[in-house]
Amino acid sequence: ILNVEQSPQSLHVQEGDSTNFTCSFPSSNFYALHWYRWETAKSPEALFVMTLNGDEKKKGRISATLNTKEGYSYLYIKGSQPEDSATYLCAPRAGNQFYFGTGTSLTVIP
Amino acid sequence: DVKVTQSSRYLVKRTGEKVFLECVQDMDHENMFWYRQDPGLGLRLIYFSYDVKMKEKGDIPEGYSVSREKKERFSLILESASTNQTSMYLCASSLIWAGGTDTQYFGPGTRLTVL
Repeated sequence: ILNVEQSPQSLHVQEGDSTNFTCSFPSSNFYALHWYRWETAKSPEALFVMTLNGDEKKKGRISATLNTKEGYSYLYIKGSQPEDSATYLCAPRAGNQFYFGTGTSLTVIP
Repeated sequence: DVKVTQSSRYLVKRTGEKVFLECVQDMDHENMFWYRQDPGLGLRLIYFSYDVKMKEKGDIPEGYSVSREKKERFSLILESASTNQTSMYLCASSLIWAGGTDTQYFGPGTRLTVL
């Protein structure tokens, strides 16, 4: 079992604020790092997958970076909107399994 | 779009009952997964399958079994349901091992309550 930590556990921000959260994981036996967004009453949806140290991915106002040597990834949201409210899960792929963190719950207040 | 469906959104069962949770995907994915999600814990892998009739134990297989007779269908079986199996169960599928970059597509989840 891989120990994956996400911080903070929850976050409340005002609409328009930028925010970021962290995913930490053991760097050994690492293949890829996945980020998912899970909105209430919906299925988790894939945001990004990254494999290489220094990788950066961007989708609209959301971006992510990866440091495989030290075992962490950051997710950034620029100018948060109420529709960004969700739980953000990271999942390193190691061996033949995904290992999910407990997630960061983001609430964007209008 | 990939679609993963689960047989029930909500299910209430009694202790000792045999429970079947069904998952179907329509995109010809090789890999299928069953997770449970509990408050304060991440998604935990129960079982996964990378081919028809193939299965691998995940991190918490005790009390569960699975069946994959057809590529599109992956069933989770609780042989004798217990109250500590009350949870949200999520099914997922992914295309094929691709160096770890295979994206998982999730179903809507089944919230199971065992009384």
